[in-house]
Amino acid sequence: QVSLKESGPGILQPFQTLSLTCSFSGFSLGTSNMGVGWIRQTSGKGLEYLATIWWDDDKYFNPSLNSRLTVSKDTSNNQAFLKITSVDTADTGTYYCTLTTVVTGFAYWGQGTLVTVSS
Amino acid sequence: DTVLTQSPALAVSPGERVSISCRASEGVNSYMHWYQQKPGQQPKLLIYKASNLASGVPARFSGSGSGTDFTLTIDPVEADDTATYFCQQSWNDPFTFGSGTKLEIK
Repeated sequence: QVSLKESGPGILQPFQTLSLTCSFSGFSLGTSNMGVGWIRQTSGKGLEYLATIWWDDDKYFNPSLNSRLTVSKDTSNNQAFLKITSVDTADTGTYYCTLTTVVTGFAYWGQGTLVTVSS
Repeated sequence: DTVLTQSPALAVSPGERVSISCRASEGVNSYMHWYQQKPGQQPKLLIYKASNLASGVPARFSGSGSGTDFTLTIDPVEADDTATYFCQQSWNDPFTFGSGTKLEIK
């Protein structure tokens, strides 16, 4: 069965870089048409799509955050990664990684990791 | 960005039928998906591509629509369906979510 779990720093200060890891099982990012999508939920904007990394290493970013986002993967170890540079308080929220395909949307979600940006 | 508009809240009694609507500011073909989020939990996929039931989801849930107008229907509603329901489109860039409809079971 598919399972995903996010891990991150919990708390960080403004202007720092947020690094998140998604560890998953039950699928491989080496399989065609599979992707890991990143979504966050904030009090200000609700659910917000951030980025996707695909099985072929293609990447897609929300243009509103494009310049701040980096996604990568470690297919052998079933992990995906998200980095957001220069965070501020508006980046406070719960961050989810998901299994996504073109057809099914965000089919499976991790439990989420709470990130708080505070000085 | 494609704006998805949902009514903020609905209240229904168990056993009734409820329809939750989602209107897109521009066409999304059939690439509309529906999620259920219970308090303190992550969202869960219910319906993908407008009308396809996700794995393990009860047949009480169904979806319809294309273009700009979509509907999630629950029939019959059960007490456990208390949750917020979100629509999400994956046709236009960037992918966007609705603000959610909070369903209360009376």
